[in-house]
Amino acid sequence: ILNVEQSPQSLHVQEGDSTNFTCSFPSSNFYALHWYRWETAKSPEALFVMTLNGDEKKKGRISATLNTKEGYSYLYIKGSQPEDSATYLCAFIGGGSNYKLTFGKGTLLTVNP
Amino acid sequence: NAGVTQTPKFQVLKTGQSMTLQCAQDMNHEYMSWYRQDPGMGLRLIHYSVGAGITDQGEVPNGYNVSRSTTEDFPLRLLSAAPSQTSVYFCASRVLAGGNTGELFFGEGSRLTVL
Repeated sequence: ILNVEQSPQSLHVQEGDSTNFTCSFPSSNFYALHWYRWETAKSPEALFVMTLNGDEKKKGRISATLNTKEGYSYLYIKGSQPEDSATYLCAFIGGGSNYKLTFGKGTLLTVNP
Repeated sequence: NAGVTQTPKFQVLKTGQSMTLQCAQDMNHEYMSWYRQDPGMGLRLIHYSVGAGITDQGEVPNGYNVSRSTTEDFPLRLLSAAPSQTSVYFCASRVLAGGNTGELFFGEGSRLTVL
């Protein structure tokens, strides 16, 4: 079973704060890394799909970086808003894994107004 | 846009009963999968399929059966329900062509309670 770790487990910030969290994954045999946003009572929705070492992706105030050599990805949120409150999941695809995604347990972000 | 459709949304079973969770997608995705979500455990892969007639086990396959007779449908069968199978189940699909980088599209989830 692959080890995909996310930290912190939960995070409380004030509106306007910038924040970041980490996804760690096996550094060998990397294929792709996905980030998903999961709001309460909804289904997860994709934020980013990252495939290349050094990749940086951005969508509005949210961005992500990828380091496949050391096995980590960071997700950044600039100027957090209450609507950013959600669980953020990363999912790892290893080479030779037959395309399956292994998810971390997520980081629960709460943004207080 | 239907996307990924799961039924039923809620189900209560007694221990030992069997049932099937249905999943259908209309995006012509090759890859389909079933996850269960339990508190503190994240999403754990039960079974997945990379095309019609091809299925494989994920992390937690015991007690579940799947088949993929068409591209669109990927039902999950609970053979003899146990309280440990009380969970929220998500079906998800994605495209595999184009370098295997397609994002997952999720159904709305099915909440199953086994008494």
